[in-house]
Amino acid sequence: SAVISQKPSRDICQRGTSLTIQCQVDSQVTMMFWYRQQPGQSLTLIATANQGSEATYESGFVIDKFPISRPNLTFSTLTVSNMSPEDSSIYLCSVLPRGPGDTQYFGPGTRLTVL
Amino acid sequence: AQSVTQPDIHITVSEGASLELRCNYSYGATPYLFWYVQSPGQGLQLLLKYFSGDTLVQGIKGFEAEFKRSQSSFNLRKPSVHWSDAAEYFCAVGARSGGNEKLTFGTGTRLTIIP
Repeated sequence: SAVISQKPSRDICQRGTSLTIQCQVDSQVTMMFWYRQQPGQSLTLIATANQGSEATYESGFVIDKFPISRPNLTFSTLTVSNMSPEDSSIYLCSVLPRGPGDTQYFGPGTRLTVL
Repeated sequence: AQSVTQPDIHITVSEGASLELRCNYSYGATPYLFWYVQSPGQGLQLLLKYFSGDTLVQGIKGFEAEFKRSQSSFNLRKPSVHWSDAAEYFCAVGARSGGNEKLTFGTGTRLTIIP
């Protein structure tokens, strides 16, 4: 398993600003992901965070809006840029410790409200 | 592309009663199947998973699920629910492609427990 922490746990931001969310894992993991959970909705995969290279984004998500970094095997950041009220969601980090076929573990999430 | 359907948006059961949450999936190959639970304000916790082998899988907190390939289903069951089981339950299917792995989630079932 893996223990995942996220910072901040919640934030309230003004439209037009940006917020960077951090994800820290207690051990080296092969794969890291970022998900969005809009109010009352299910989880949607934003991107796969690749160590040392650009993230792989899902349809509907772009790097300019959601830049992602992954400098090592235990840490990743997601930035929500130029925020609007529609970006109000819970953002969750998840990991696959040993890669495809392993169990995916989730962080506690960051609850973002954009005014 | 894979998809998951959870036909029940909200279920209410009495404490001590049995529970079954439905999940149907669509995927061209043998899927990886998961049930996660999300308590209010919390991240996702894995209840159980099916990768291969025995189609009846046991999970934490007394939950079990049965994979039925002919019905494309992976329903979650518990013989006697406790008030602490009140939460949102998500079924997910994992697909592997080109060394990557993606989880697709259902829309979730909210479980309410009444005394």
